[in-house]
Amino acid sequence: GQNIDQPTEMTATEGAIVQINCTYQTSGFNGLFWYQQHAGEAPTFLSYNVLDGLEEKGRFSSFLSRSKGYSYLLLKELQMKDSASYLCAVRDDQAGTALIFGKGTTLSVSS
Amino acid sequence: DTAVSQTPKYLVTQMGNDKSIKCEQNLGHDTMYWYKQDSKKFLKIMFSYNNKELIINETVPNRFSPKSPDKAHLNLHINSLELGDSAVYFCASSQEKRGYTFGSGTRLTVV
Repeated sequence: GQNIDQPTEMTATEGAIVQINCTYQTSGFNGLFWYQQHAGEAPTFLSYNVLDGLEEKGRFSSFLSRSKGYSYLLLKELQMKDSASYLCAVRDDQAGTALIFGKGTTLSVSS
Repeated sequence: DTAVSQTPKYLVTQMGNDKSIKCEQNLGHDTMYWYKQDSKKFLKIMFSYNNKELIINETVPNRFSPKSPDKAHLNLHINSLELGDSAVYFCASSQEKRGYTFGSGTRLTVV
């Protein structure tokens, strides 16, 4: 089976940096994804890691360590619009091609 | 052009009814999915389907059945609706070495 853990809630202030951690246990790991979901909307793709290391895309970066079963999403220069749920998901070849999601981290950004 | 579109956006119905949710993707993706997002925002895979294989999450009641008339469509049919079926249902699609794209969701309320 799969197990994906991430914090339930986080808070931060505008302009700050926040790191959202995700740990996972899977049988056939084949990639880790981060999605952003605003209330009442669809999840939207943020980043994808399949090899160890850091992937940077603008204000957002994602890191993966396969040996530790660990990833984080780093958000820099936080803006109010970054208040949303952040979903960590893994693709496990033992479970077909579907993404398996963690329970999500609700980030609240205040001024 | 909406990449993954699902209808209806909202569905309110009584217990015991049978209903369908439609999903269409114009991305040319090979695989489509149905996810259920509960009140705690947890996205859980229900089905994944391509033209060769249907993978069913074993926790999904057999009242739920996916129907795919062609590669671009995966509809979700639900028999004998129960209160616990109230949730947001997301359709998604993917292609090998490409990302996953989600529809805008269908909020089902069973009364």
